[in-house]
Amino acid sequence: AQKITQTQPGMFVQEKEAVTLDCTYDTSDPSYGLFWYKQPSSGEMIFLIYQGSYDQQNATEGRYSLNFQKARKSANLVISASQLGDSAMYFCAMREKITGGGNKLTFGTGTQLKVEL
Amino acid sequence: DGGITQSPKYLFRKEGQNVTLSCEQNLNHDAMYWYRQDPGQGLRLIYYSQIVNDFQKGDIAEGYSVSREKKESFPLTVTSAQKNPTAFYLCASSGDRGWHEKLFFGSGTQLSVL
Repeated sequence: AQKITQTQPGMFVQEKEAVTLDCTYDTSDPSYGLFWYKQPSSGEMIFLIYQGSYDQQNATEGRYSLNFQKARKSANLVISASQLGDSAMYFCAMREKITGGGNKLTFGTGTQLKVEL
Repeated sequence: DGGITQSPKYLFRKEGQNVTLSCEQNLNHDAMYWYRQDPGQGLRLIYYSQIVNDFQKGDIAEGYSVSREKKESFPLTVTSAQKNPTAFYLCASSGDRGWHEKLFFGSGTQLSVL
């Protein structure tokens, strides 16, 4: 069975500073994908970044980067130059293969990020 | 614009009543999913469908039912058997079957019990 752990219920960061949101996972499947989603107060889930288990380099998408340490089973999200609009809930998720193809994502409990002036 | 539409945004259920949450997508995606979100918890999978006329139970299917008669539609019924239905419900879809396959989400339905 898969498990995603996010140990930081809440985080504060100063505007323009960098912040790291932690995520560890547990799986016996050698092939998996890791995702980060942002959920603003409106409730919609916004895809941020993806890392595949066979990817050699850490994923980056603009101000978002993923610190992937496969041996430690961690996939931390780094947000550089934080902005007030980054205040939201952030979820780490892992892809689980479904017979016949398709995607089942298992989510962590999330980290509430608050960006301060 | 392509996307996923969930309706209504807010829904209230009386005791013993079944209610149906709507989910429509125009992304031409084969797979669709229903997740439930409770405060302080992540998303939990209720049901998923990989193709029309086929669907499977997720981790918390008891008290829920779905249908997939059309590719673009995947309605979720919360039955009276679901004793704690108050939650935020998110519908999602995915198309590409590659490793970068991500889920696209709707804006959610907040269900409350009267």
